Amino acid sequence: DAKTTQPPSMDCAEGRAANLPCNHSTISGNEYVYWYRQIHSQGPQYIIHGLKNNETNEMASLIITEDRKSSTLILPHATLRDTAVYYCIVRVADNYGQNFVFGPGTRLSVLP
Amino acid sequence: DAGVIQSPRHEVTEMGQEVTLRCKPISGHNSLFWYRQTMMRGLELLIYFNNNVPIDDSGMPEDRFSAKMPNASFSTLKIQPSEPRDSAVYFCASRGVGGGRGARYEQYFGPGTRLTVT
Repeated sequence: DAKTTQPPSMDCAEGRAANLPCNHSTISGNEYVYWYRQIHSQGPQYIIHGLKNNETNEMASLIITEDRKSSTLILPHATLRDTAVYYCIVRVADNYGQNFVFGPGTRLSVLP
Repeated sequence: DAGVIQSPRHEVTEMGQEVTLRCKPISGHNSLFWYRQTMMRGLELLIYFNNNVPIDDSGMPEDRFSAKMPNASFSTLKIQPSEPRDSAVYFCASRGVGGGRGARYEQYFGPGTRLTVT
């Protein structure tokens, strides 16, 4: 599986957009990009995933570069409750399902 | 749906004792995962099951750890004997059958069991 690189921490002002980058320069053609987050003392929570097209759901948007070597998770209007560790994971779907390797992630602090 | 249910939420035990952690996945999900999280090592996958069959247990640290899934609605992770270095938060997650490769393959995590071995 391709490795990912994320900044260890970021700050964002409440109400502003939070843009969390992820580098995955060794991604292969059949690997998806997944984003999860973990709020303190809770289990990780799925946010969004994509292959090559940009994706948007009720939680966030995912922008994947044309060469697929990097992506950005966008929280359009960050709130204090978005303070969490955000994990970018690259994984191919196999016949048995998907196990994820969680790296250290990015610790996002949303400031009032 | 109540989501993934784990019990107990907190467990404090003495070194050498047997510890059993329990997980009830979301009804209808066919994959189940056990993770361990510590400050030092982050979130690590221990083992995962597909249709109640263990697929990959390469993350299980040693023979003291064992996991079972006797049916689609229940799994256990057992540590015998427990050691202080086993202290961690243990998460169970389940995943349903998605439509299309990569689609809806997200895992749903339980609240975790915080284990302290003294």
